[in-house]
Amino acid sequence: KQEVTQIPAALSVPEGENLVLNCSFTDSAIYNLQWFRQDPGKGLTSLLLIQSSQREQTSGRLNASLDKSSGRSTLYIAASQPGDSATYLCAVRSEKLVFGKGTKLTVNP
Amino acid sequence: AAGVIQSPRHLIKEKRETATLKCYPIPRHDTVYWYQQGPGQDPQFLISFYEKMQSDKGSIPDRFSAQQFSDYHSELNMSSLELGDSALYFCASSFGRGLYNSPLHFGNGTRLTVT
Repeated sequence: KQEVTQIPAALSVPEGENLVLNCSFTDSAIYNLQWFRQDPGKGLTSLLLIQSSQREQTSGRLNASLDKSSGRSTLYIAASQPGDSATYLCAVRSEKLVFGKGTKLTVNP
Repeated sequence: AAGVIQSPRHLIKEKRETATLKCYPIPRHDTVYWYQQGPGQDPQFLISFYEKMQSDKGSIPDRFSAQQFSDYHSELNMSSLELGDSALYFCASSFGRGLYNSPLHFGNGTRLTVT
């Protein structure tokens, strides 16, 4: 059974910092990995999708990497802003899409 | 671009009542997934449909049922509601059940509150 773990569970940083969110998964037989953003009580916004054959994807200030063999992914956020405050969820696609419990990010002005 | 549409956005029901949640996938998407997210929890897979047939089943209670219609929209029917059913219910759609590399697109969810 696929298990997805995200560390840290919560992170508070001052504005402008670069930061890294971590995601690990137990079964490396995956098709892809998605990073989502969720604001409190709101829906899931897809940020980046990395296919199993890819090593990284970039979108603006976000960069996600994937090391399938070691079961790890990282989401790098450059020059963080208060508007980046949200919960970031990592989800791994085998036959099902399995979510981690998320990292709650707070960027302080 | 059209997104996944869920209705209603909010729903308040009493214990033992019935609720129906609706999901309209992105046009041309043939696969629909339902997820339940409890307070402070990660989304949990409930059930999925491909071409109107159930394709996979997760932790969906027997009190819940779902179906996908000919126009690909899906409904989640929840009966004998319990307080613990209060959650955010997400629908997602994708194209091609066998195309596991296709991304899932999520709706904004329906917040169900059971009192």
